Amino acid sequence: DQQVKQNSPSLSVQEGRISILNCDYTNSMFDYFLWYKKYPAEGPTFLISISSIKDKNEDGRFTVFLNKSAKHLSLHIVPSQPGDSAVYFCAASYIYSGGGADGLTFGKGTHLIIQP
Amino acid sequence: NAGVTQTPKFQVLKTGQSMTLQCAQDMNHNSMYWYRQDPGMGLRLIYYSASEGTTDKGEVPNGYNVSRLNKREFSLRLESAAPSQTSVYFCASSEQLWAWTSTFGSGTRLTVV
Repeated sequence: DQQVKQNSPSLSVQEGRISILNCDYTNSMFDYFLWYKKYPAEGPTFLISISSIKDKNEDGRFTVFLNKSAKHLSLHIVPSQPGDSAVYFCAASYIYSGGGADGLTFGKGTHLIIQP
Repeated sequence: NAGVTQTPKFQVLKTGQSMTLQCAQDMNHNSMYWYRQDPGMGLRLIYYSASEGTTDKGEVPNGYNVSRLNKREFSLRLESAAPSQTSVYFCASSEQLWAWTSTFGSGTRLTVV
């Protein structure tokens, strides 16, 4: 049973427009969420994260929104650029009360294609 | 360039053959990981090593063994390859266990026929 779901295998967006990538999760224990970006023939690279105590985190053109009640997060890229074409993975984890953390659970990924 | 180096980049094995995937990092990271990514799937953790001298099973450890040879190197061994192990394998490292900004290698594409 998938605990982290990315229901859109691919998304095509025009250059300059907003890209919105969605992610849903089922495990209510998750309290830390991340997005990774992956180019072909390369490993994933960390993009942005958000803690469950926040509902928004922004880093330049990238913003992640978290809706805990809906168990939903989204990644917004504004404006979209050709170099943003990649596969984006949503991932989740939880932090133990003692301060340690557990491993990441990844979604299947969404292939974002930025069209000129 | 500093980072995580995986060898080989591509490999084709026959069912039943064995092989070892090599991984080395030069960032003095304490923790290292092996993931597999199947087509249309997210990454799944096979094994991890919190620090030199320790290894632990991840989500999908069956059919694999690992060795943390030293702080730099973490190898993954397939003793008797099966077609179900056809996948892309990623090694990663981080300064602390489960640090979110892990550095990933570029992957090994393994096909078992």
